[in-house]
Amino acid sequence: DAGITQSPRHKVTETGTPVTLRCHQTENHRYMYWYRQDPGHGLRLIHYSYGVKDTDKGEVSDGYSVSRSKTEDFLLTLESATSSQTSVYFCAIRQGGENGYTFGSGTRLTVV
Amino acid sequence: DQQVKQNSPSLSVQEGRISILNCDYTNSMFDYFLWYKKYPAEGPTFLISISSIKDKNEDGRFTVFLNKSAKHLSLHIVPSQPGDSAVYFCAASEETGKSTFGDGTTLTVKP
Repeated sequence: DAGITQSPRHKVTETGTPVTLRCHQTENHRYMYWYRQDPGHGLRLIHYSYGVKDTDKGEVSDGYSVSRSKTEDFLLTLESATSSQTSVYFCAIRQGGENGYTFGSGTRLTVV
Repeated sequence: DQQVKQNSPSLSVQEGRISILNCDYTNSMFDYFLWYKKYPAEGPTFLISISSIKDKNEDGRFTVFLNKSAKHLSLHIVPSQPGDSAVYFCAASEETGKSTFGDGTTLTVKP
């Protein structure tokens, strides 16, 4: 495997609380991405990073923030969790060009 | 407007036959098209890709065809095996590496 891990794997949290999901890679890739997957919606890009402290928004970024203070870690924060943010979250690193992404195993987040 | 579309939510084929999964896109600026496979409770796994300047790429049992004039690509799996049963996502990537995904097609290969 490419050395990408997500934590936690599962989390249940209450509406209105902040939540941080962590993505850690061991391969020194420059590009990292956060996607969410919902039934019938495929994967949608939340935020991505193209280097330390360099991040940009994806198509569903409202309610989320990210930080990348080290190459190996990319954090996704739900500032005030809502039930609509119940989803499976995937982190990915980019292998480059034709090689696609390597995804983590995902974090299943439930907001109650 | 959805830039990458997989119009068939599901496909069922017999073991040993061909599986054909289809994908349409709208943005002519995509530079790579990719297919991912996903099993339950796992992250998607990269399967095969094709550059926008090519019309075919083959890797073992998997072949991807790109028709740029029709903005259409397809994944052929021959012969299909029960272990191929999974959700298949089509994706299109930009120069920045950002990828846009279709909604997925669930393939079931029956023994």
